[in-house]
Amino acid sequence: DAKTTQPNSMESNEEEPVHLPCNHSTISGTDYIHWYRQLPSQGPEYVIHGLTSNVNNRMASLAIAEDRKSSTLILHRATLRDAAVYYCIPGTSGNTPLVFGKGTRLSVIA
Amino acid sequence: GAGVSQSPSNKVTEKGKDVELRCDPISGHTALYWYRQRLGQGLEFLIYFQGNSAPDKSGLPSDRFSAERTGESVSTLTIQRTQQEDSAVYLCASSQFGTGVSPLHFGNGTRLTVT
Repeated sequence: DAKTTQPNSMESNEEEPVHLPCNHSTISGTDYIHWYRQLPSQGPEYVIHGLTSNVNNRMASLAIAEDRKSSTLILHRATLRDAAVYYCIPGTSGNTPLVFGKGTRLSVIA
Repeated sequence: GAGVSQSPSNKVTEKGKDVELRCDPISGHTALYWYRQRLGQGLEFLIYFQGNSAPDKSGLPSDRFSAERTGESVSTLTIQRTQQEDSAVYLCASSQFGTGVSPLHFGNGTRLTVT
């Protein structure tokens, strides 16, 4: 399985952009990059996923390095509700379960 | 629409008793997963069901743990002779297809406390 490295914690001011980095240097060519987040006392929530190209949705943007060894989740304007643990997970195109690491705990300051 | 539903939301049991945890996935989702999350820790994969294929049980920590799924609907996770180290939040997730193709939708979990 591909291994990931994420900062243990990050802090952001409200309404500022947030860039959450993830290194996945052992990712294989067919692994998607998934991002999930977990708000306090809730189950994880899907954020975004991509393979090679940058991806945008209503929640966030995902910037994937050209060599695919790293990616960055971008929250364009952090709100207090974005305070959560963010997980970066390489996943295969098959049916192998996603392996969650410890993620990055994002704190948002008003 | 309805999301993944888990019951009970909280369960307190005495050491040595058996417990059953239930998961109702989103209708039409072929894949169902169970994870465990101990306090302050990340998610630990337990078991995975995909359609009519044999389940992937590689994450079950011991033979005290088992799970069943009826067709593409409800799943039950059973823990026999519970131990204190089984205390955790048990999370269920479903997805329309495989994990590389479609997102996982999680329930809010069952918090199990073994006294």
